[in-house]
Amino acid sequence: GAGVSQTPSNKVTEKGKYVELRCDPISGHTALYWYRQSLGQGPEFLIYFQGTGAADDSGLPNDRFFAVRPEGSVSTLKIQRTERGDSAVYLCASSLNTGMEETQYFGPGTRLLVL
Amino acid sequence: AQKITQTQPGMFVQEKEAVTLDCTYDTSDQSYGLFWYKQPSSGEMIFLIYQGSYDEQNATEGRYSLNFQKARKSANLVISASQLGDSAMYFCAMREGTRAGSYQLTFGKGTKLSVIP
Repeated sequence: GAGVSQTPSNKVTEKGKYVELRCDPISGHTALYWYRQSLGQGPEFLIYFQGTGAADDSGLPNDRFFAVRPEGSVSTLKIQRTERGDSAVYLCASSLNTGMEETQYFGPGTRLLVL
Repeated sequence: AQKITQTQPGMFVQEKEAVTLDCTYDTSDQSYGLFWYKQPSSGEMIFLIYQGSYDEQNATEGRYSLNFQKARKSANLVISASQLGDSAMYFCAMREGTRAGSYQLTFGKGTKLSVIP
């Protein structure tokens, strides 16, 4: 079956612009996660959705970052007034349910470059 | 303090040999889970293996096994019979159980494995 998909695969923008990154999770997966991976680092947690609601947004770095999942499936990560430090790979993951042993399946990521 | 420590930035292994990638973790939770992911140059994170803190046996998945030493807080990944396609970044990650409703993974910095023909 289809895995997690993310669009666009690459995004180049200018400092100060607004960007939207889309994640389409595996069908039927209730949990969705966003992570950010900077060069040479492991992924860092941003936000977690259970269904339509953001159950944990403690990883969002500041109020320029916002994410939605209005129908409990597709999610959009929104970044306002982008800064050069926002350049990274943004990874989305989904899992069937939530639980200690639930595997998170990752998408290919969106590579964001802020000039 | 780092929650997940991977001390080997890079490792080399001869094809068909076994290799161990180190991972130590730090948590005060009694219930937690440990994961290993592989990230090829294409960028996608591929799940390899899971070990729960209450699991008494070490996890195994094909050529992958997890050497879990709870008292030492280590969860090393062992890859047997290395193949050229195993060349990739490998990340150790932990899920803690303290905060109800929080199921995020905390990742280490990764180890780059290169398999030599």
